Amino acid sequence: GESVGLHLPTLSVQEGDNSIINCAYSNSASDYFIWYKQESGKGPQFIIDIRSNMDKRQGQRVTVLLNKTVKHLSLQIAATQPGDSAVYFCAENLAGGSYIPTFGRGTSLIVHP
Amino acid sequence: ETGVTQSPTHLIKTRGQQVTLRCSSQSGHNTVSWYQQALGQGPQFIFQYYREEENGRGNFPPRFSGLQFPNYSSELNVNALELDDSALYLCASSASNQETQYFGPGTRLLVL
Repeated sequence: GESVGLHLPTLSVQEGDNSIINCAYSNSASDYFIWYKQESGKGPQFIIDIRSNMDKRQGQRVTVLLNKTVKHLSLQIAATQPGDSAVYFCAENLAGGSYIPTFGRGTSLIVHP
Repeated sequence: ETGVTQSPTHLIKTRGQQVTLRCSSQSGHNTVSWYQQALGQGPQFIFQYYREEENGRGNFPPRFSGLQFPNYSSELNVNALELDDSALYLCASSASNQETQYFGPGTRLLVL
C-alpha cells in the first residue's frame, strides 16, 4: 500500500547550523501535510502544516517545502538549538478523508552543543 | 485552555488481562483519535470518535474498542492483552472539520 517514509533515520548537526529533514510520500491523493516533533517521553507536538496548493510555508525558525512533482516534503530548521533534538515525523491526510493522518517512521535529530 | 491529558502515564499488565486507558480532549475539541506507537515507529491509527460515534478505524482487531462520552473525553479498551500490545498509546483531539490534531503525553503500556 501507499505510505509515508523518511530518507534519513538519524541526522546529527552542530548547534547553530541549519537542519533539513526530508520525507517522501507516495499517495498522490494526499492534500494536507503536517510535521510533528516528538521529544523523549512525550506525545507528538504540532510544528507546521502545509496544503497541497502551496509550495512553501514558513513559521518561527521552521520552513516546510512541498514538491508535488516528486512527492517530497522537507522541514528546514534555522539556527538549530539543543532543544530541537527530538524525533520528527511527517504525516499526510487524504483529500476528502476523515482527517486521519498517516505517519512515517520518523527522523531522529541530534543537535550537538 | 487545557491541553490533552491522558491517564495513567504508565501501566504494567500481564498477558490475557484487560486494560482501560483514558483521555480528556482539549477544550473546544469534539473529535478524539487513538494511536499505538511501538518503540522506534510512527504512531499507528487505531480509531477515531466524533460526537460519541466511531468515525474511522485502522487495522486493529476487535479486542481494541473505545468509547467517547458527552463531554468528549474518551476511553480505549484492550481485551486479551498480548505481548505485542506493549507500546505508547497516544490520544489526539481536534475540532470539527479541522485537520490539525493535538496529542496528549501518552500512556506507556507494558505487557508481561
